[in-house]
Amino acid sequence: EPEVTQTPSHQVTQMGQEVILRCVPISNHLYFYWYRQILGQKVEFLVSFYNNEISEKSEIFDDQFSVERPDGSNFTLKIRSTKLEDSAMYFCASSEGLGPYNEQFFGPGTRLTVL
Amino acid sequence: AQKITQTQPGMFVQEKEAVTLDCTYDTSDQSYGLFWYKQPSSGEMIFLIYQGSYDEQNATEGRYSLNFQKARKSANLVISASQLGDSAMYFCAMREAEEDDKIIFGKGTRLHILP
Repeated sequence: EPEVTQTPSHQVTQMGQEVILRCVPISNHLYFYWYRQILGQKVEFLVSFYNNEISEKSEIFDDQFSVERPDGSNFTLKIRSTKLEDSAMYFCASSEGLGPYNEQFFGPGTRLTVL
Repeated sequence: AQKITQTQPGMFVQEKEAVTLDCTYDTSDQSYGLFWYKQPSSGEMIFLIYQGSYDEQNATEGRYSLNFQKARKSANLVISASQLGDSAMYFCAMREAEEDDKIIFGKGTRLHILP
């Protein structure tokens, strides 16, 4: 069964450093998403991406964040200068289509720890 | 106002008993989808079950069923014959037609299955 994959599973970085979280969505999916879950809290939407551009972003997704689809398979989330409060689990998701009847398939997550 | 409300932060249930996890939602859309996800201690988000707002019948997937009461805006998850492996965090979530891109999550219920 096709699945979304994410690397690395755990990333530890120093405050102020740049990190890139990588995702490989399901191959025939067209819509891509990043979500964040701070430890012990609910999952929050960050950004959605379609046709090589951001289609929606939350207030969390400030100028420190960027997303990119550098090739036909990868989808990345970059945090330019990490802060302590960026420590969280980051989930990538992909969907075949839009609308409430289309399931978003989640990857296993990358746990980011900022020291 | 919260879009998704899960009123049970934690539950303890004896193995083999059925368990109901509560979820109420708030939307003015006529078209929306409701999801339940399981998050074990390892952190990944596992899709369990989906209910569309226009679906006449309650969704079922193996031991999981969704008790959908549209007029009450309620979408409770029922797990029959609980197992020790069901111990996890459970999130109710919604995707609205007017907010095509993102899934909105509740705060979750931590379920403990007792042997």
